[in-house]
Amino acid sequence: EAQVTQNPRYLITVTGKKLTVTCSQNMNHEYMSWYRQDPGLGLRQIYYSMNVEVTDKGDVPEGYKVSRKEKRNFPLILESPSPNQTSLYFCASSPGTSKGELFFGEGSRLTVL
Amino acid sequence: AQSVSQHNHHVILSEAASLELGCNYSYGGTVNLFWYVQYPGQHLQLLLKYFSGDPLVKGIKGFEAEFIKSKFSFNLRKPSVQWSDTAEYFCAVKYSGGGADGLTFGKGTHLIIQP
Repeated sequence: EAQVTQNPRYLITVTGKKLTVTCSQNMNHEYMSWYRQDPGLGLRQIYYSMNVEVTDKGDVPEGYKVSRKEKRNFPLILESPSPNQTSLYFCASSPGTSKGELFFGEGSRLTVL
Repeated sequence: AQSVSQHNHHVILSEAASLELGCNYSYGGTVNLFWYVQYPGQHLQLLLKYFSGDPLVKGIKGFEAEFIKSKFSFNLRKPSVQWSDTAEYFCAVKYSGGGADGLTFGKGTHLIIQP
C-alpha cells in the first residue's frame, strides 16, 4: 500500500530535549516536505526537499533541522524544542511531476512542556 | 507574497443543505489548484484538483469546484451535505515556479454538519 509513515504519532516532551520525528514514503517520490498545523493558521511549510541531499527552508524553519540522506526518508529534528513548537506535524511527499499534489502522512502531535 | 484566502473559518449547516466554501488566491500567473479535506483525527486527503481544461472539476464524495480565472477563485461546492462531511477543508495553490512542488495553503474552513 502506497503511504507516508510518520513516527511517533504522539509525543510529550520537555523543553530542550532533542527529538526526531521520522517520515518515510514507499512511493519513490522525489519531493518531500514538512508542515505544521496550528489552529487558525492552517498549514505552514517548515522545510522541503526536492531530492536526496537537497533541502531548503519553507516558511517557518526556525528551530528545526532536516536531512535527506535517502530518497524514502525525511526526518524532522528539533534540537532544542520549545513550547511554541507544540503543534501537529505532517510529512508529505509527491513525485517530481505531480504538479503539486501532495500525499500526507497521518500526522504527529507534539507537546513540549 | 503569494497567498490563499478562505472566506469562512467556521461553517455550520444542517444535513441536506447546499454548501459553498470560498477560496481566493493572489495573482501569480499559472496556478494549479487543490482542495484537501481533513476528517477529525485524520490526515489530509485530496478532494479534487484543477490543472487545466474544464474549469468545473468533480472530486470524490459528490464535491465539485469551479475555477474562475477572472476572479482568482476556486470555490468548493456540494449540493446536499451529509453528517459525514463534517471536517476541515483546505484550499491550496501551487504557483508556477514556486518552491518545487510546494503548496500554499489557506487557513482552512471548519465545517460542521448537524443531523
